[in-house]
Amino acid sequence: DSGVTQTPKHLITATGQRVTLRCSPRSGDLSVYWYQQSLDQGLQFLIQYYNGEERAKGNILERFSAQQFPDLHSELNLSSLELGDSALYFCASSAIQGGGEQYFGPGTRLTVT
Amino acid sequence: GQQVMQIPQYQHVQEGEDFTTYCNSSTTLSNIQWYKQRPGGHPVFLIQLVKSGEVKKQKRLTFQFGEAKKNSSLHITATQTTDVGTYFCAGYGAAGNKLTFGGGTRVLVKP
Repeated sequence: DSGVTQTPKHLITATGQRVTLRCSPRSGDLSVYWYQQSLDQGLQFLIQYYNGEERAKGNILERFSAQQFPDLHSELNLSSLELGDSALYFCASSAIQGGGEQYFGPGTRLTVT
Repeated sequence: GQQVMQIPQYQHVQEGEDFTTYCNSSTTLSNIQWYKQRPGGHPVFLIQLVKSGEVKKQKRLTFQFGEAKKNSSLHITATQTTDVGTYFCAGYGAAGNKLTFGGGTRVLVKP
């Protein structure tokens, strides 16, 4: 158990819909990262927040957005969903802003039908 | 942008044999990390290498960071069934604010 929690574990929704994925970092960690892992693919970095502020952006689509709240939990919002958005979405946390090891949550499996 | 490549993509290993997986970056890295993801699981941090030419060992796993800090390797000796999974390398660039993952090496062990 990494100490990072993600909800929900599974999500099935239809094309065109909007969903919100939630992540709570390890106690004391200020950085939260979001990754997308498609079937048999590597991990694609989406976005990072540190203590409530956006710090780095990867290949995140304009239909996707995220935020980190004062209690440090984070939410990833995915809208106008397409079939190709079906993937595992991982959240990770770390103690520092950049350069440290990351602790991954169990992931949310999103299926878009 | 920064790219990290891993080879091989798949590694079929006989139990008890050794193997090595390689990681190459298009740019110089400030550090490199290795993660292991078991089937159906999430990536788990294994190790971080920071210095040029650094070598670290964890039991049967040996990690190396290249002199130019652009490549790394993971060598596993006497492979066991518990080694099954996908091994990812990931590197921070000079700015140190974005961890770029390689595509991973999926390891399958034949008993």
